[in-house]
Amino acid sequence: GAGVSQSPSNKVTEKGKDVELRCDPISGHTALYWYRQSLGQGLEFLIYFQGNSAPDKSGLPSDRFSAERTGGSVSTLTIQRTQQEDSAVYLCASSLVVQGNQPQHFGDGTRLSIL
Amino acid sequence: DAKTTQPPSMDCAEGRAANLPCNHSTISGNEYVYWYRQIHSQGPQYIIHGLKNNETNEMASLIITEDRKSSTLILPHATLRDTAVYYCIVRVAYSGAGSYQLTFGKGTKLSVIP
Repeated sequence: GAGVSQSPSNKVTEKGKDVELRCDPISGHTALYWYRQSLGQGLEFLIYFQGNSAPDKSGLPSDRFSAERTGGSVSTLTIQRTQQEDSAVYLCASSLVVQGNQPQHFGDGTRLSIL
Repeated sequence: DAKTTQPPSMDCAEGRAANLPCNHSTISGNEYVYWYRQIHSQGPQYIIHGLKNNETNEMASLIITEDRKSSTLILPHATLRDTAVYYCIVRVAYSGAGSYQLTFGKGTKLSVIP
């Protein structure tokens, strides 16, 4: 079946611009996660959605970052007034539910480059 | 989550079995062993996970020692497309806020040689 889909795959933008990154999770998955991965670094958790519950935003690095998930499916991560340190690969993952031992399945990410 | 130790790199001949070890000597009774891999320029790919028993799926087999202090991921017939960094993760099943956050160590860089 179809996996997690992210768009765009690559985004180059000027410092100070806003960007929107999209994630389409696996159909039927209720839990959705955003991470980012900088060059040579590990995963950095950003935000998590589970059904209609309030999202866990504890990993968002600043108030320039926000995310929403409409209709319990597609999610958009928005970065306002981008800075060069925002350059990274932004990864989205989904799992059937958050409970138990369900594995997270990742998309191929959006590679964001801030000039 | 318990810490894992993996060799930084391994080579495997194409067509042979690749056996990737992971040490997790401080694992707790309710922690699962998960394996992911990441091929260059792609997102992490889930491979397999287990608690106590050995597991097998279409991608790999997971062998967990009886004392659960170590495990081995087996790719039965490695191909060039299996060249990737392999991550062994030990974590509890969901236990509240924050417990779902995945953390990858440095993993093992597997190179499949023609």
